Amino acid sequence: QAVLTQPSSLSASPGASASLTCTLRSGINVGTYRIYWYQQKPGSPPQYLLRYNSDSDKQQGSGVPSRFSGSKDASANAGILLISGLQSEDEADYYCMIWHSNAVVFGGGTKLTVL
Amino acid sequence: QVQLQESGPGLVKPSETLSLTCTVSGGSINSYYWSWIRQPPGKGLDWIGYIHWTGSTNYNPSLTSRVTISVDTSKDQFSLKLTSVTAADTAVYYCARFQYYRDSYEYTAYFDSWGQGTLVTVSS
Repeated sequence: QAVLTQPSSLSASPGASASLTCTLRSGINVGTYRIYWYQQKPGSPPQYLLRYNSDSDKQQGSGVPSRFSGSKDASANAGILLISGLQSEDEADYYCMIWHSNAVVFGGGTKLTVL
Repeated sequence: QVQLQESGPGLVKPSETLSLTCTVSGGSINSYYWSWIRQPPGKGLDWIGYIHWTGSTNYNPSLTSRVTISVDTSKDQFSLKLTSVTAADTAVYYCARFQYYRDSYEYTAYFDSWGQGTLVTVSS
């Protein structure tokens, strides 16, 4: 079982909100991890969006709009990237990441389609 | 704003060694950690490892037997060598600056600047 699991795809309408989940493997408690999120558009490298651990421990990437935010769902053992007021330019792949056992671990990515 | 640029052969034969260099500009390589990440065509991100400007390294356990990352601070460059490559090593290879430090809560570890990436194909 992968350390981080993301749904492969998600669709949402312009102006709506999208919640992208990043589920941690059973036995790895989301409450003890900082979750990092990246956006990648076709033909471009990933770009750092934000970090979320708690409302008192979070960081927005440089120049990242406030409509991108993070949260956690402890009951689902998952980190969440919330994108509000979806725009066509938000169509991209999104990756979550954690620092686990002295190593970087990426989720498999979610392709967000805005239509 | 720091910039990173990957360079190296785009085609490597099976069983040979993949070698890439990342040149850092717009800032010094000193005082930071630097990393390599790869992405097979149509797939997700795969962390290869990182190096501190002082030379200390940490590699992905799945690749540690084949990977060497080195740094040349006089040239503001760091490099990747991956031995005994197979078709499974075909990927876009990215270099990135790795922000790794301990703050008041715990360790922070993320990539804040990336190169554009270079496609390396393993084929005879």
